Amino acid sequence: DGGITQSPKYLFRKEGQNVTLSCEQNLNHDAMYWYRQDPGQGLRLIYYSQIVNDFQKGDIAEGYSVSREKKESFPLTVTSAQKNPTAFYLCASSIDGLQGYNEQFFGPGTRLTVL
Amino acid sequence: QKEVEQDPGPLSVPEGAIVSLNCTYSNSAFQYFMWYRQYSRKGPELLMYTYSSGNKEDGRFTAQVDKSSKYISLFIRDSQPSDSATYLCAMSNAGNNRKLIWGLGTSLAVNP
Repeated sequence: DGGITQSPKYLFRKEGQNVTLSCEQNLNHDAMYWYRQDPGQGLRLIYYSQIVNDFQKGDIAEGYSVSREKKESFPLTVTSAQKNPTAFYLCASSIDGLQGYNEQFFGPGTRLTVL
Repeated sequence: QKEVEQDPGPLSVPEGAIVSLNCTYSNSAFQYFMWYRQYSRKGPELLMYTYSSGNKEDGRFTAQVDKSSKYISLFIRDSQPSDSATYLCAMSNAGNNRKLIWGLGTSLAVNP
């Protein structure tokens, strides 16, 4: 089955720890994205990557880091510098054509809780 | 003022009703419009997308774009309890179609 997988589904972190969220896609999409979703605030873009070994900051990148070493994978690290990391994290991908639609397809999400 | 406004609801309707969900926006450069459905604790799934103005129909779902009013709508006919979810609108402009601007989502409950 083609799709996007995220792991783990639930993650608990102690304050001061870094954690890494996994995102893998087998859709052969060029672009990948990380969003954070909080109640009442909608989806906010953390980072996105248009191509391997390249990524750009989104609207709320502070306290997060990413890498894009393979087309299929776009892991997100939530560092101890992120002040309020408890949230639902969503990974997405898109074909990233130069023109036209750029529909984004989402994974099932990871719920991160800081204890 | 947010670039995209969407009433969070909740909206509660009886089964079989016609549902109307709406978003307004302020950026006249937006050209691509999408509707996503998100079930509780799941990732959003793409329902409909439209380009510029006009209507698009897919089964029980119809998406409308009125660029002159900066207003988009999603209609659900013969609503079912399985339609109970949060509906998110998203849009982008041609110059930066990678960056989607999102509404906050409308929570819909269809009661049997």
